[in-house]
Amino acid sequence: SAVISQKPSRDICQRGTSLTIQCQVDSQVTMMFWYRQQPGQSLTLIATANQGSEATYESGFVIDKFPISRPNLTFSTLTVSNMSPEDSSIYLCSVEDGTRGYTFGSGTRLTVV
Amino acid sequence: AQSVTQLDSQVPVFEEAPVELRCNYSSSVSVYLFWYVQYPNQGLQLLLKYLSGSTLVKGINGFEAEFNKSQTSFHLRKPSVHISDTAEYFCAVSERGYQKVTFGTGTKLQVIP
Repeated sequence: SAVISQKPSRDICQRGTSLTIQCQVDSQVTMMFWYRQQPGQSLTLIATANQGSEATYESGFVIDKFPISRPNLTFSTLTVSNMSPEDSSIYLCSVEDGTRGYTFGSGTRLTVV
Repeated sequence: AQSVTQLDSQVPVFEEAPVELRCNYSSSVSVYLFWYVQYPNQGLQLLLKYLSGSTLVKGINGFEAEFNKSQTSFHLRKPSVHISDTAEYFCAVSERGYQKVTFGTGTKLQVIP
């Protein structure tokens, strides 16, 4: 299965600022997924990122708040913009490994103060 | 639309005792089903998945799950748990033909020495 390197692993940010999270995959993948896991809760899909096209956002998530880049088949970034304490969560990227198994990055633990 | 219900938010069990973590899903079409484990401060790891074929699926770390279409369930079982199994377990569903994965709210398994 694919190996995902996600950076940073954690960060503490001031409200009003932005943080960009990076995911690097060791193989080419068509689709990458970005999830949010709020404290004590399950994973919620933010968006699906295809290379060469705009990301598809789930209900409740908008591009202005969570812009995504997908410049090639092994890399993607998620930016959390104009942060507030409510954005404090774990953010995870994921890819489908070709056998309907989904591999996850180790996550970015974000605290907004 | 697909959905997943994990009936138990927390399950305490003594070491070496059997455990069952319950999962029910809802979907109007055929589905793929997954169980993931999340150890403290780590990302998600795939335990097992049901795609087709035998309804009894064996996974890693001695876990298994049984797909029951009539009851729309995919319960996770282990005959004898270890302290190292203490973690949060997520059931997930994906409709065939779609990449989106929907996660349940998670069950925290606490193994008591």
